Amino acid sequence: AQSVTQLDSQVPVFEEAPVELRCNYSSSVSVYLFWYVQYPNQGLQLLLKYLSGSTLVESINGFEAEFNKSQTSFHLRKPSVHISDTAEYFCAVSYQGSYNTDKLIFGTGTRLQVFP
Amino acid sequence: ETGVTQSPTHLIKTRGQQVTLRCSSQSGHNTVSWYQQALGQGPQFIFQYYREEENGRGNFPPRFSGLQFPNYSSELNVNALELDDSALYLCASSAKNGGELFFGEGSRLTVL
Repeated sequence: AQSVTQLDSQVPVFEEAPVELRCNYSSSVSVYLFWYVQYPNQGLQLLLKYLSGSTLVESINGFEAEFNKSQTSFHLRKPSVHISDTAEYFCAVSYQGSYNTDKLIFGTGTRLQVFP
Repeated sequence: ETGVTQSPTHLIKTRGQQVTLRCSSQSGHNTVSWYQQALGQGPQFIFQYYREEENGRGNFPPRFSGLQFPNYSSELNVNALELDDSALYLCASSAKNGGELFFGEGSRLTVL
């Protein structure tokens, strides 16, 4: 069965420090990859996505993620975090070629806590 | 452009009862998906509706059912509620063939 693994349930970091949130998926077929962010008591917001093309994708608020097919990974990075980045981050995958490419499989989430 | 809206935002039920959750899709979107997010977990796919027909289902029992209406809004119904049904229920809409999901803020269900 396809799955997504987020290796860290919590990542504490000081403001302005770099951060990496790790995500691995299990499949050898083509995939679409996503990172979503969830602020307290809110729904999910799309942070960035990889559909095809360049393996490095960026968001408007400074996050980036790199698709690594050989490692089956899609780690999320930010060179300098802000207090407002404190949230839950979910990695998700959907599979090209399946009938239902909108269906997402989510990881269990990583809680990013940024301290002043 | 109106985003995805869900109602109610919070509700409390007791075991054995039935619940209906509602979702209005984003303007221009004809596909609605429902996800269950238990506390401390990632969302899990329940089912998807496209043009009023179920279009894929996750590993949930038949007491989880849904509807999609001609205006593309949707309902999630859960019968015979169990304690483990306590969760945040997320609705997401998409334009078919687009793939990107836009989520609502969810309905938090507590079963006592």
